[in-house]
Amino acid sequence: EAEVAQSPRYKITEKSQAVAFWCDPISGHATLYWYRQILGQGPELLVQFQDESVVDDSQLPKDRFSAERLKGVDSTLKIQPAELGDSAMYLCASSLGRSRETQYFGPGTRLLVL
Amino acid sequence: QKEVEQNSGPLSVPEGAIASLNCTYSDRGSQSFFWYRQYSGKSPELIMSIYSNGDKEDGRFTAQLNKASQYVSLLIRDSQPSDSATYLCAVKSGGGADGLTFGKGTHLIIQP
Repeated sequence: EAEVAQSPRYKITEKSQAVAFWCDPISGHATLYWYRQILGQGPELLVQFQDESVVDDSQLPKDRFSAERLKGVDSTLKIQPAELGDSAMYLCASSLGRSRETQYFGPGTRLLVL
Repeated sequence: QKEVEQNSGPLSVPEGAIASLNCTYSDRGSQSFFWYRQYSGKSPELIMSIYSNGDKEDGRFTAQLNKASQYVSLLIRDSQPSDSATYLCAVKSGGGADGLTFGKGTHLIIQP
């Protein structure tokens, strides 16, 4: 069964350092999403890609976060510099992109900023 | 601001009983509705999707949607200890920017 891949699974970093997360969506899925989930909360959308284009990044803190999906396949989310409040689970999801299509989530990257 | 509201729980249900989870949403333009299950430390897993008013059944799970009341529910029949998890309600608006808006989740505990 096809799955969304993410790496690393866990990341510990010190504040002010740079971190990067990688996501490989299910093959053929045109739409890719990055969510952040703080402990005890539901996931919050950070950015949505349709192929290589950003569709929605209204909730992405652009002063420190960046995301790219250069060839419309895999994607990287970067934080620079990391802050204590960035400690969370970062989830990648993908879908075929058509109406009513289900979003499938990867295993997530758990980030701890010290 | 689109909002999805859920009772955070915990909701404790005896094994074999029916668990009832509820969700309300603020955006009347919402088109698609989802229930995800999330075990501690894991990522969300889709349980049910529903798009039209009424009930949708899949095995032990039934999703109910009432767009007029902006209300979605999930019923779990014959609850099992393995159903113990956090259940996330998610809503998608129509249009090209279709990221999900999630509630905070309801923590469900099935008591053996």
